[in-house]
Amino acid sequence: LAKTTQPISMDSYEGQEVNITCSHNNIATNDYITWYQQFPSQGPRFIIQGYKTKVTNEVASLFIPADRKSSTLSLPRVSLSDTAVYYCLVGTTYGQNFVFGPGTRLSVLP
Amino acid sequence: ETGVTQSPTHLIKTRGQQVTLRCSSQSGHNTVSWYQQALGQGPQFIFQYYREEENGRGNFPPRFSGLQFPNYSSELNVNALELDDSALYLCAWTGTSSYEQYFGPGTRLTVT
Repeated sequence: LAKTTQPISMDSYEGQEVNITCSHNNIATNDYITWYQQFPSQGPRFIIQGYKTKVTNEVASLFIPADRKSSTLSLPRVSLSDTAVYYCLVGTTYGQNFVFGPGTRLSVLP
Repeated sequence: ETGVTQSPTHLIKTRGQQVTLRCSSQSGHNTVSWYQQALGQGPQFIFQYYREEENGRGNFPPRFSGLQFPNYSSELNVNALELDDSALYLCAWTGTSSYEQYFGPGTRLTVT
């Protein structure tokens, strides 16, 4: 099972770009990298998923180097409402024991 | 909106009792996973069901059991409740075309 390592917390200011890096040294060939956002007392919400190189959607970008041993979630121009915990997961869905780490607690300041 | 609902929203039980939590999804989701999330921690995988069969299990004792039904619903049953079972219980469904999991809002269980 691929375990992940992320910073425990990060602070940013409104309007800045935030980059959160996740290490996953023993990622398997079939594993995808998925990021979730979670607000207090709510279920995690899917942000973005990728396998290699770069993926971009309307809310974030995901950068994955060639060796796939790490990934970086990039949130452009964060706002106060982006204050949340962000989780990086690696794996496939079927029959996998998904391991959520403690996540990264992002605080966006005015 | 993920299209995933969970009931009840909150629940208070006494140690030793049994509880059933429910989760349902819009059609097209054929794999359901359950997670336990203690306060301040990440979700911990309990088990997963695919086509009504258990398809993977985390480090949880047998008193945690589940069911998946053909109508895109699922149950988590916990017997002999312990104080440490107090947590937010999340279900997550996966569609057939991606590895993305759609989480419900969770059920907050308090064991006293």
